[in-house]
Amino acid sequence: DTAVSQTPKYLVTQMGNDKSIKCEQNLGHDTMYWYKQDSKKFLKIMFSYNNKELIINETVPNRFSPKSPDKAHLNLHINSLELGDSAVYFCASSFPGQGYYEQYFGPGTRLTVT
Amino acid sequence: AQSVTQLGSHVSVSEGALVLLRCNYSSSVPPYLFWYVQYPNQGLQLLLKYTSAATLVKGINGFEAEFKKSETSFHLTKPSAHMSDAAEYFCAVSDGGTSYGKLTFGQGTILTVHP
Repeated sequence: DTAVSQTPKYLVTQMGNDKSIKCEQNLGHDTMYWYKQDSKKFLKIMFSYNNKELIINETVPNRFSPKSPDKAHLNLHINSLELGDSAVYFCASSFPGQGYYEQYFGPGTRLTVT
Repeated sequence: AQSVTQLGSHVSVSEGALVLLRCNYSSSVPPYLFWYVQYPNQGLQLLLKYTSAATLVKGINGFEAEFKKSETSFHLTKPSAHMSDAAEYFCAVSDGGTSYGKLTFGQGTILTVHP
């Protein structure tokens, strides 16, 4: 009965490769997000989707392409991976509720680019 | 633009002592404020949130935080630390619907609890 799940949990790959991370939520939320946590543990939003539409794109390189096939899924595809892409990527989802969008986070995907 | 500053990247306390983690925010609109906890190799878990109702907010695991508009602060406290509280804590701010709940995080504070 996992609320927000991500696959894979660990991803090790070489520079120049293309990889995808998948996220699914079973909470019935309309809004989903991708956050990046760098090596210093700093968390920054990358993208947000609401009802399958992109609503936030935080000046992320266009090698990163999110896709939301439906409200419950938000995937992240990364082309031509670089060393600097090594990080933990978190997916989250939320429901507007009373206006404050309480977010629920997945367990994270640790990406290591060698 | 919104921002969050967490004073002290590391806080160390003895078991049973008061825990105080500091968070100051900047926001041009009334903020929503959150504290999240991250245990090693895990995701973020919501501890508590301020949503413009009561200024003193109680959360899980005995934590609470007080919203002080005049000081633009939202410090996290717990009267008595437990070994299981050792983790990294993140303060975050959102303007709610304007940006679909986009969270801006502080730099994080690592809490160490000594026996």
